[in-house]
Amino acid sequence: EDKVVQSPLSLVVHEGDTVTLNCSYEVTNFRSLLWYKQEKKAPTFLFMLTSSGIEKKSGRLSSILDKKELSSILNITATQTGDSAIYLCAVEARGGADGLTFGKGTHLIIQP
Amino acid sequence: DSGVTQTPKHLITATGQRVTLRCSPRSGDLSVYWYQQSLDQGLQFLIQYYNGEERAKGNILERFSAQQFPDLHSELNLSSLELGDSALYFCASSVRGDSYGYTFGSGTRLTVV
Repeated sequence: EDKVVQSPLSLVVHEGDTVTLNCSYEVTNFRSLLWYKQEKKAPTFLFMLTSSGIEKKSGRLSSILDKKELSSILNITATQTGDSAIYLCAVEARGGADGLTFGKGTHLIIQP
Repeated sequence: DSGVTQTPKHLITATGQRVTLRCSPRSGDLSVYWYQQSLDQGLQFLIQYYNGEERAKGNILERFSAQQFPDLHSELNLSSLELGDSALYFCASSVRGDSYGYTFGSGTRLTVV
């Protein structure tokens, strides 16, 4: 059974700090790892990482996939209060027909 | 607006009842996924339909069923509801039936009392 573990489960930092969120996974026939941000309702897509694209960056957010360690990190630099959200990590098996397996998320709170 | 429409947004019902949740995928998306999100379990994959046919099943209870219609909208039917079924139910859609272009709707919050 595919499994995704995220850490920490909760994190409180001050505005301007840099944070690193962790995700480790076990999946048969890995295809991709995805990061989502969930504020009030729908998760919104951040990054997709695959064997051919192990590093992604968008503004203050970046993510790296470590295929050897079966893990990924999501970095957020110069955090802002608007970054407060639940960050979800998910993996997809090859074939993509079984939905995504999600971790329980990291609840990030940015204090002004 | 993600383009994936879910109705209703909120639903309160009693134990033992049956409800239907509706999802309209983004225009052009053939695949619809249903997920359940509860506080203790996180986001759990329930079922996937691709162009009208069931493609994959996850942790879906026998009391739950779904279908996708010719116009590609999908319905999730939950019956004999229990208190533990209270959760946020999300629909997601994608073009090809994989995570490429995967987009979530805003969800239906179901409360069973």
